Amino acid sequence: GENVEQHPSTLSVQEGDSAVIKCTYSDSASNYFPWYKQELGKRPQLIIDIRSNVGEKKDQRIAVTLNKTAKHFSLHITETQPEDSAVYFCAAIFSGGYNKLIFGAGTRLAVHP
Amino acid sequence: SAVISQKPSRDICQRGTSLTIQCQVDSQVTMMFWYRQQPGQSLTLIATANQGSEATYESGFVIDKFPISRPNLTFSTLTVSNMSPEDSSIYLCSVVGAGGQFFGPGTRLTVL
Repeated sequence: GENVEQHPSTLSVQEGDSAVIKCTYSDSASNYFPWYKQELGKRPQLIIDIRSNVGEKKDQRIAVTLNKTAKHFSLHITETQPEDSAVYFCAAIFSGGYNKLIFGAGTRLAVHP
Repeated sequence: SAVISQKPSRDICQRGTSLTIQCQVDSQVTMMFWYRQQPGQSLTLIATANQGSEATYESGFVIDKFPISRPNLTFSTLTVSNMSPEDSSIYLCSVVGAGGQFFGPGTRLTVL
């Protein structure tokens, strides 16, 4: 079935450390993998995405890697800052007539000064 | 990215009543979706709002409970019918635009 698993559910790091969040997906035909950041009381914000024709994409302190063979992708945040504290959601697009995004359960990241 | 607005931003309703949520986009979009986010949870897709035809519902969601309209490429409504406290949640519309999929600000619904 359509499924995206996300780990860990919570992550606590010290300011300046790196944070890694991992997701696996079930549909081998999935070809688009966005990541969203949701601050308390706000809407999810798209922060980075990757398509299946590339293995890695970087935007300043954030990067996403994709392993299509293993059907998993990861979000990497370097030099974390307190403002990175939020809930992060991975997602994968599922085909089958029309494209729809299915979300992972979310990771609550806390960055401590 | 497209500017997405929703009305109302929040509401408190009595059980058994219905609420219609509006989603307006500042540009024409082909793909528009409705999601639900229960407190502390992830986003669950309710349905895809199809312009000019019936919405496509996900497993566990039915048209009688969540009727959806999509009269044009910039507007959609989601109705939560015959509400119960279990329907208390945030409802978000979402559109696919240039650069990815984006979310509206959400409607926080509390059912007493």
